[in-house]
Amino acid sequence: AQTVTQSQPEMSVQEAETVTLSCTYDTSENNYYLFWYKQPPSRQMILVIRQEAYKQQNATENRFSVNFQKAAKSFSLKISDSQLGDTAMYFCALKDTDKLIFGTGTRLQVFP
Amino acid sequence: GAGVSQSPSNKVTEKGKDVELRCDPISGHTALYWYRQSLGQGLEFLIYFQGNSAPDKSGLPSDRFSAERTGGSVSTLTIQRTQQEDSAVYLCASSEDGVSWGGEKLFFGSGTQLSVL
Repeated sequence: AQTVTQSQPEMSVQEAETVTLSCTYDTSENNYYLFWYKQPPSRQMILVIRQEAYKQQNATENRFSVNFQKAAKSFSLKISDSQLGDTAMYFCALKDTDKLIFGTGTRLQVFP
Repeated sequence: GAGVSQSPSNKVTEKGKDVELRCDPISGHTALYWYRQSLGQGLEFLIYFQGNSAPDKSGLPSDRFSAERTGGSVSTLTIQRTQQEDSAVYLCASSEDGVSWGGEKLFFGSGTQLSVL
């Protein structure tokens, strides 16, 4: 079975600093997709970044980047220059054949 | 509308009552998903629709849960004889296509917070 594990229930970071959120996963597929979603208090899930497993280059979206280690089945999210608006729940997800499988999330608090 | 719409935003009900949660996907999206988010848990997959049919309903936790989709558009998730453990946020998402998508075109609604007293 495919699984996604986020071992950090809560994290905090000071504004303008860098923070890394961890995610590990398990799959028997060779090609797959991985995602990080942000869920602010509005509850609406917002796609932050997406990685295709067959691409060796780590995905980057502005201040957000990933460290994708395929052999270790690790997919961490780095947020640079943290902003107060980054305060939210962050979910790591793995695409199964027809749906996303999510981890339990990391609550990130950015302090001024 | 421009996005996925869910109603009601919040629902408080008494144990044993039936509830219906509605999801209005983005126009033209053929795939529709229901997820449940319980406190301290991740998003738990419930059911996936492609058009009006449900090729994957493996996540429905019991026979008290059912869902339907009509006209390839609106979907209703029904919970019968609600229990306190059903309290959660129920999220709906839609995409243009189902199995072939790479995830970048999955859009979520803001969910329904269900509280069972």
